[in-house]
Amino acid sequence: EVQLVESGGGLVKPGGSLRLSCAASGFTFSSYSMNWVRQAPGKGLEWVSSISSSSTYIYFADSVKGRFTISRDHAKNSLYLQMNSLRAEDTAVYYCAREHCSSTSCYLGAFDIWGQGTMVTVSS
Amino acid sequence: EIVLTQSPATLSLSPGERATLSCRASQSVSTYLAWYQQKPGQAPRLLIYDASNRATGIPARFSGSGSGTDFTLTISSLEPEDFAVYYCQQRSNWPLTFGPGTKVDIK
Repeated sequence: EVQLVESGGGLVKPGGSLRLSCAASGFTFSSYSMNWVRQAPGKGLEWVSSISSSSTYIYFADSVKGRFTISRDHAKNSLYLQMNSLRAEDTAVYYCAREHCSSTSCYLGAFDIWGQGTMVTVSS
Repeated sequence: EIVLTQSPATLSLSPGERATLSCRASQSVSTYLAWYQQKPGQAPRLLIYDASNRATGIPARFSGSGSGTDFTLTISSLEPEDFAVYYCQQRSNWPLTFGPGTKVDIK
């Protein structure tokens, strides 16, 4: 079964740090670009960051640029999001999501498999 | 940044009715637009990619159309499980952006 499982969320004080992990299974992780998308309580979806399959290309939303880093470990089939200098407005459910690929093409920026999400709360 | 606007914000319909959801981009995204469905407490689900291509396992009652700046998601006959929030999302330019969503609820 194709699956993504996030972990690492929790309660952190403003200015603090947190590292999210996303464990992938059921597919060839190293072949797919991966992404983080977040959703503040009661709000819509916000793209956070993307990393290409070889880690050559990395993109961030302006709202997190300079504070968050994204990485991946193919040996562990895992995606990571290191979040520093956290703010109250970073409070959200964080989803990892896989790039959509058909049998012939991949569609960078379209997300076909999502994890269940991990909640990050930034509060004093 | 490309801004996506969705209308209406809420659509109140009965099972069996046709739903037409709109997404408008602040500049052309060609056909690089996707639609997602999200139910309470669940992750989003990809319905349509590149404007008109149904994702794997998505029923034929879901269809997408449009190009440039104007896009439509149509649900031909609403099933009880279709009542949810629908988001459009563009992958034409970085940063990737989502629309604010349209809630389809039961009339």
